[in-house]
Amino acid sequence: SQKIEQNSEALNIQEGKTATLTCNYTNYSPAYLQWYRQDPGRGPVFLLLIRENEKEKRKERLKVTFDTTLKQSLFHITASQPADSATYLCALDGGSQGNLIFGKGTKLSVKP
Amino acid sequence: NAGVTQTPKFQVLKTGQSMTLQCAQDMNHEYMSWYRQDPGMGLRLIHYSVGAGITDQGEVPNGYNVSRSTTEDFPLRLLSAAPSQTSVYFCASSSEYRTSHEQYFGPGTRLTVT
Repeated sequence: SQKIEQNSEALNIQEGKTATLTCNYTNYSPAYLQWYRQDPGRGPVFLLLIRENEKEKRKERLKVTFDTTLKQSLFHITASQPADSATYLCALDGGSQGNLIFGKGTKLSVKP
Repeated sequence: NAGVTQTPKFQVLKTGQSMTLQCAQDMNHEYMSWYRQDPGMGLRLIHYSVGAGITDQGEVPNGYNVSRSTTEDFPLRLLSAAPSQTSVYFCASSSEYRTSHEQYFGPGTRLTVT
């Protein structure tokens, strides 16, 4: 079965710096990978989707890369702000069922 | 649009009690699903539905039932609550049964079973 690892439970950075979060997966290569943001006490909110034939995707200050050789996705937030503090989840398809499998998330804290 | 709504927000049950968590969406989405989220674990899929009248099991279905009589509603029933079912439950919907489509999540129901 598919396995996802977000290898940092928590990441602390200074305001203005670039935050880089990592998502690694094992077994077969998914066709799509998604990133979500989750604030305390709330449901996840979709941020970006990247396809296996796309190396990179951008949305405002967000950038996602997808390396199918390394089986890894990187999620970058440039010029980070305290308002970016949240837990970020990566998710990819779970195989035959076609449902999303979620990582445990990385809690990002941006200090002023 | 209200998006995905869930009720109640909080619930405390005694072991052995039953209850239904409500979920509704007003986006005319065919695909709906229920997840549970526990500390230190990712979201885990309980049940899902690809359309009215069609449901299937996810990763952790034991102790839960679902039905889908309309496109809008997808209730989750706990048959006989156990402390292991203490968790935060999220309902989600998507326009298609494909991982290529974003999922819209509700605000969650925090359930405690004593």
